[in-house]
Amino acid sequence: GAVVSQHPSRVICKSGTSVKIECRSLDFQATTMFWYRQFPKKSLMLMATSNEGSKATYEQGVEKDKFLINHASLTLSTLTVTSAHPEDSSFYICSAASETGKYFGPGTRLTVL
Amino acid sequence: GDSVTQMEGPVTLSEEAFLTINCTYTATGYPSLFWYVQYPGEGLQLLLKATKADDKGSNKGFEATYRKETTSFHLEKGSVQVSDSAVYFCALSDLGGAQKLVFGQGTRLTINP
Repeated sequence: GAVVSQHPSRVICKSGTSVKIECRSLDFQATTMFWYRQFPKKSLMLMATSNEGSKATYEQGVEKDKFLINHASLTLSTLTVTSAHPEDSSFYICSAASETGKYFGPGTRLTVL
Repeated sequence: GDSVTQMEGPVTLSEEAFLTINCTYTATGYPSLFWYVQYPGEGLQLLLKATKADDKGSNKGFEATYRKETTSFHLEKGSVQVSDSAVYFCALSDLGGAQKLVFGQGTRLTINP
């Protein structure tokens, strides 16, 4: 089946630094990738939708200058959390869409100290 | 906007017990409905889906019926196993899953031997 990986699986950083999270579709090409954020005991909240080669579409309330999304190829999308603050600590999940459905990565746990 | 409400967990059952996890939705159109499962350390996986009213989705012994009159999509399994322990997410999409998903908050299920 289709596999989506995320790297890193877990990251701890200092406040004010930037963190990049990678999402890769390992055995299929994904023209569309989605980035979600999950708070403890809460549902997954869609942050943005990215299409290969074009700018991401952000959901209402998501700061596009803070959460930079790049979808440079059909197998890779990156989410960069810029100038991270403790309130950005969360679980970030990506999803890649293929012709057969939508496949999710295992998530990245970000902790900002 | 569209929303999904599911039974709050955690839910703990003994092996071979009957399982029901409730899910209701609010949508302006005619959504497709999904159940996703997240096993420990893994990404979300599609468990089953239904695309129109009265459809029944089924997989691995789990079933859910799309009830338009009650706007519900409850997940059921007649006899659960320890290996069913996971977090279950109910979700909807207005465009058959090709576009963004709206998730419920997730229900953690633990099955004791």
